[in-house]
This record gives sequence, structure tokens and C-alpha cells, in this order.
Amino acid sequence: DIQMTQSPSTLSASVGDRVTITCRASQSINTWLAWYQQRPGKAPKLLIYDASSLESGVPSRFSGSESGTEFTLTVSSLQPEDFATYYCQQYNTYPWTFGQGTKVEIK
Amino acid sequence: QVQLVETGGGVVQPGRSLRLSCAVSGFTLSTNVMHWVRQAPGKGLEWVGSISYDGSNKNYAESVNGRFTISRDNSKNTLYLQMDNLRTEDTALYYCARAVMTTVPVFDYWGQGTLVTVSS
Repeated sequence: DIQMTQSPSTLSASVGDRVTITCRASQSINTWLAWYQQRPGKAPKLLIYDASSLESGVPSRFSGSESGTEFTLTVSSLQPEDFATYYCQQYNTYPWTFGQGTKVEIK
Repeated sequence: QVQLVETGGGVVQPGRSLRLSCAVSGFTLSTNVMHWVRQAPGKGLEWVGSISYDGSNKNYAESVNGRFTISRDNSKNTLYLQMDNLRTEDTALYYCARAVMTTVPVFDYWGQGTLVTVSS
């Protein structure tokens, strides 16, 4: 199975901060990567697919990029509703696998 | 609007069975590949399995292969997850999720989840 490793596991930030979360794949997944946001007690929400395509309705402060097997989710200016846990997911190879999550906390 | 509603969760003893349902509305189930994803308490997300739009093709995670069966009744707009020989490690919140496209297992709509607890 392809292993997805996110860093950091927890991130403390303030409203207005620029935040970056990294996801590294254990082997090439091309650009077949999605990012999800999960608020406490809620289902995950799709943010980005194909590494850098923004899902409809998602604010433009969210962006994604890739460099080889390393993928990045950036929030340009953190808003109160962005404090949540973020997961990456590869869909290059069965079984589809997720990263372990990055929790973004209020500093 | 698109809605997915899971039901059927509960407390069950190891070795027993449980069937989850996922009722969908707001879109035509027969045109979408559907997935089940689970989340153990306080843990991350784990893909469980998927079923093609017509039910002819199914794929499962190794951890559930041979014990879980996904099916669908497009006429009832309902997806199912039959879970047999349950283990304590199957304890999780189970989500059904819609794939964005047939060939793209990215999940654009999710249910609220139904909790399965396997305990003696």
C-alpha cells in the first residue's frame, strides 16, 4: 500500500496566519491527491483534488501544490472556521489511502 | 440538495454481523460509484471499499476483504454495507461517500456517519 505521511501532526496558528501542511507519498502518485477538511463532529469536506484543483465553493485562500512525491496544502490567511483537521488522500493506486491528519489549533 | 444518510450502526459482539444502509437523495444513485470510509474513534480516515454504478465491480480494503460486502439498490436509492464476523478493530464511524466521477475516487459528498461499536 502507498503510505501517506503528513507533517506536522499538530499546528498552532493565529487568525490571519499563512499555514502550510505537507503530505509525502511513499511512491509516485502523479498528481492524484486530494485534500479534505474535517471539523469536529462533522464529515470530511473536499477542498482540493488533482493536487491543485480547487473544489467548487471552496474559498480561494486554500491552495495545493506538488513537487514529486511531496504535496502541500496552503491556507493563505487562516480564518476562524479553518481550525480543523486536514487529511490528504492518494487515488493513484488501490487501496486508496489517507494521511494520518494534521490538526490546526488556535494559538 | 445532495444528501446521504447512514443508518444501522450500533453495539454488536465480536463475530456477529451488522448491515449498514446509506439512503441518498438529490442525485441519481445509478450514475455514481459509491464508497464506504470509516474512522475509528479519535483516529484518521480509512477507505473500506467501493461499488461501481451498477454493482458489477467491487473493491475492498484488505482489512475487510472476505468479511464485508457492499451492495446497492438503485431503485431504492440506497447503498449497503454488510459486515460479517466483526472484530473489535472494526469499531468506527462509518461514512458513505459519493465519488466525484466514475474513474476518480475523490469524495465530494459524505453522509454524517453511523457508529459501529464491536465489544463483548
